[in-house]
Amino acid sequence: SAVISQKPSRDICQRGTSLTIQCQVDSQVTMMFWYRQQPGQSLTLIATANQGSEATYESGFVIDKFPISRPNLTFSTLTVSNMSPEDSSIYLCSVEAPQGAGNEQFFGPGTRLTVL
Amino acid sequence: GEDVEQSLFLSVREGDSSVINCTYTDSSSTYLYWYKQEPGAGLQLLTYIFSNMDMKQDQRLTVLLNKKDKHLSLRIADTQTGDSAIYFCAGNYNTDKLIFGTGTRLQVFP
Repeated sequence: SAVISQKPSRDICQRGTSLTIQCQVDSQVTMMFWYRQQPGQSLTLIATANQGSEATYESGFVIDKFPISRPNLTFSTLTVSNMSPEDSSIYLCSVEAPQGAGNEQFFGPGTRLTVL
Repeated sequence: GEDVEQSLFLSVREGDSSVINCTYTDSSSTYLYWYKQEPGAGLQLLTYIFSNMDMKQDQRLTVLLNKKDKHLSLRIADTQTGDSAIYFCAGNYNTDKLIFGTGTRLQVFP
């Protein structure tokens, strides 16, 4: 399995500001993803972070609101822009296991964001 | 879109077996997964099953897949208080992205 870290682990932010979340993996991976988990809810995929090209966003998520960088095969960032209280969620990055037999995805510990 | 449903809560006594159920509408998933989320933590992959299998056992965990009924279950034998968490089923539905179930909160009492 891959070891994934995220920074920050939690933050409290004012509305209208932006926060950038970092995701670091201990090995090179092709596929990296960003998910959102709203309070008491399941996980929803925001986008697939593609190395060397623009991220692929899911329906309901746009680049202006959630810009993503993927400068190399071990690192990605997600920015939550112009935040409102509705953005309060846990944001998780995940990676597809290199050479995994079942296309398993492993998740980081998450970033708990509260917007006031 | 794909719908993956789970019952919200399950409460069991320590030492009993727990069975967490998941139903889905799209049967095209190549793999189906079970994840565990403890309070304040990320997701831990527990196990997965390939779509051409009916059952997979891994120590205290048994996964059953009924493709005809589009039903997946996770059985935890000898449930312990440390098993208290939220459990999510998920499928990859012929893509790289995961579609998650609604989650089942398992509470284990002494």
